[in-house]
Amino acid sequence: GQQVMQIPQYQHVQEGEDFTTYCNSSTTLSNIQWYKQRPGGHPVFLIQLVKSGEVKKQKRLTFQFGEAKKNSSLHITATQTTDVGTYFCAGRETGTASKLTFGTGTRLQVTL
Amino acid sequence: GAVVSQHPSWVICKSGTSVKIECRSLDFQATTMFWYRQFPKQSLMLMATSNEGSKATYEQGVEKDKFLINHASLTLSTLTVTSAHPEDSSFYICSARAGARETQYFGPGTRLLVL
Repeated sequence: GQQVMQIPQYQHVQEGEDFTTYCNSSTTLSNIQWYKQRPGGHPVFLIQLVKSGEVKKQKRLTFQFGEAKKNSSLHITATQTTDVGTYFCAGRETGTASKLTFGTGTRLQVTL
Repeated sequence: GAVVSQHPSWVICKSGTSVKIECRSLDFQATTMFWYRQFPKQSLMLMATSNEGSKATYEQGVEKDKFLINHASLTLSTLTVTSAHPEDSSFYICSARAGARETQYFGPGTRLLVL
């Protein structure tokens, strides 16, 4: 079945440093979504990317969808302590099943 | 954005009892609802997909007789964990969407602890 892996598994940065998490799917995706889950919370939808090579920005967050639609990345510029949490990508395979498969997640810790 | 609620948010029960978790879409009609399970420090794993008025489709390895799903209306789906055991302790999260091309909205989750 489809597998969605993320690296790194965990990253600890100092406030102000940049952070990137990478997401790789074993199959081609129709779209990819990104979620943030704060400790003790539930996943909160951040963004969806649909087009090959698409880049979207939300303030300090930059999301990219690969040309082959099998990988994606989330980059945070100048991290803040409020960015702490686990970031999941979730990919939807092409076809009618349209099941969302979550990546393994990257836990981000930000300290002053 | 759209709102999905879950009830209860926390439940502690004795081994062998059954627990029902409700998932409601509050401001839209959810043609499809999904149930996920998340163990500590792990990702969300899809358990089953349910479409209103039809039987749920379970993922491989998920026992349909143990995790009963009912999607009786366009705004409500329930997950019943039957004869719960300590290994069923987990964070159960539902999500709902209005149509195949629509965004999936997640509920706040239900933490289940089986003693």
